[in-house]
Amino acid sequence: KNEVEQSPQNLTAQEGEFITINCSYSVGISALHWLQQHPGGGIVSLFMLSSGKKKHGRLIATINIQEKHSSLHITASHPRDSAVYICAVRSNTDKLIFGTGTRLQVFP
Amino acid sequence: GAGVSQSPSNKVTEKGKDVELRCDPISGHTALYWYRQSLGQGLEFLIYFQGNSAPDKSGLPSDRFSAERTGGSVSTLTIQRTQQEDSAVYLCASSLVGPYEQYFGPGTRLTVT
Repeated sequence: KNEVEQSPQNLTAQEGEFITINCSYSVGISALHWLQQHPGGGIVSLFMLSSGKKKHGRLIATINIQEKHSSLHITASHPRDSAVYICAVRSNTDKLIFGTGTRLQVFP
Repeated sequence: GAGVSQSPSNKVTEKGKDVELRCDPISGHTALYWYRQSLGQGLEFLIYFQGNSAPDKSGLPSDRFSAERTGGSVSTLTIQRTQQEDSAVYLCASSLVGPYEQYFGPGTRLTVT
């Protein structure tokens, strides 16, 4: 079993839909990251959080430390949101352990 | 300011040759990470440099892989006697030491023929 599990693996949506991507982990962590990888490979850090909730524009990330679960929400999705979204947990030794990613396609 | 840069952006090499991949972190970032993303696979940790401490090499897949960081800045990942399974995108990231966001470079796409 992977230490970081993401669901779904693939997600398609119509423009404007509300999207949720889930991440569960089984190790002790100091922080959790949500990353975005566009076709062409560049990776951008969207959020780093260790408790509660963060919001940036149409993106919201939440984490429940007790349940070892995090969600990434995208409101009013747009085709430019199409990318792979990766959950990564920062272990207590500072290494990042990555989920396998969720491939999101948003159609106009 | 400038982000993390990596060179070369693409490298094609013959099986058995040695390759060196370079990473220039963001100035002032004392933590530097190397990751690998094989085709269709997720990201995997390779090595972590934290300031002047001994690097965490626990992710290096074999003794053909090594990395160094000179002067606490530029890092070089060396792969000796490359194999076809080494083909991947090699990503570098840097951050301040501690639970801070990591900033990723554009990666080096390595193809071993």
